[in-house]
Amino acid sequence: AQSVTQLGSHVSVSEGALVLLRCNYSSSVPPYLFWYVQYPNQGLQLLLKYTSAATLVKGINGFEAEFKKSETSFHLTKPSAHMSDAAEYFCAVSEWRDDKIIFGKGTRLHILP
Amino acid sequence: NAGVTQTPKFQVLKTGQSMTLQCAQDMNHNSMYWYRQDPGMGLRLIYYSASEGTTDKGEVPNGYNVSRLNKREFSLRLESAAPSQTSVYFCASTRTVTEAFFGQGTRLTVV
Repeated sequence: AQSVTQLGSHVSVSEGALVLLRCNYSSSVPPYLFWYVQYPNQGLQLLLKYTSAATLVKGINGFEAEFKKSETSFHLTKPSAHMSDAAEYFCAVSEWRDDKIIFGKGTRLHILP
Repeated sequence: NAGVTQTPKFQVLKTGQSMTLQCAQDMNHNSMYWYRQDPGMGLRLIYYSASEGTTDKGEVPNGYNVSRLNKREFSLRLESAAPSQTSVYFCASTRTVTEAFFGQGTRLTVV
């Protein structure tokens, strides 16, 4: 069964610094991978997705992620953090043969002024 | 386009009471999902429905039942609510498993 592990339940970065949120996945077949963002008291919004095309995926708000099969990773990065990036971020995995979408436990990103 | 609509937004139940959470989507999506979100646990899949007339268990189905009433609607029922079911519940839908659209959530408290 597919699963996702997010390293670090809380990450703090200074405004303007690099954002790196880590995600490792487990899947028995080539996966689809996602990053979602959740702002307080809201639902989840898709940031970006990997569906077996380019391994470097660009998303909204300047975020990108790289699919590394050898490391079973899909880490989320942004070169320069902004105060508005403060939110909770979820990595998720699904498989083409299955309709389930499984989420990680989330990483809360704090931006320090 | 409303997207995914959940009702109610807030609910307080007493232990042992029953209730149904409603979810409707207007995007003609085939698949629909119910998740619960708890602090430190992320989103856990309760049940999902790949198409009208089919439902499958997710990671944490115990204590819940679902009905895929038609292509638009997917309801979640708590037959006998317990304090452990206090959570925020999210409904989602997808056309294919490449992007899920989420509702705004239902905050349920069981006392």
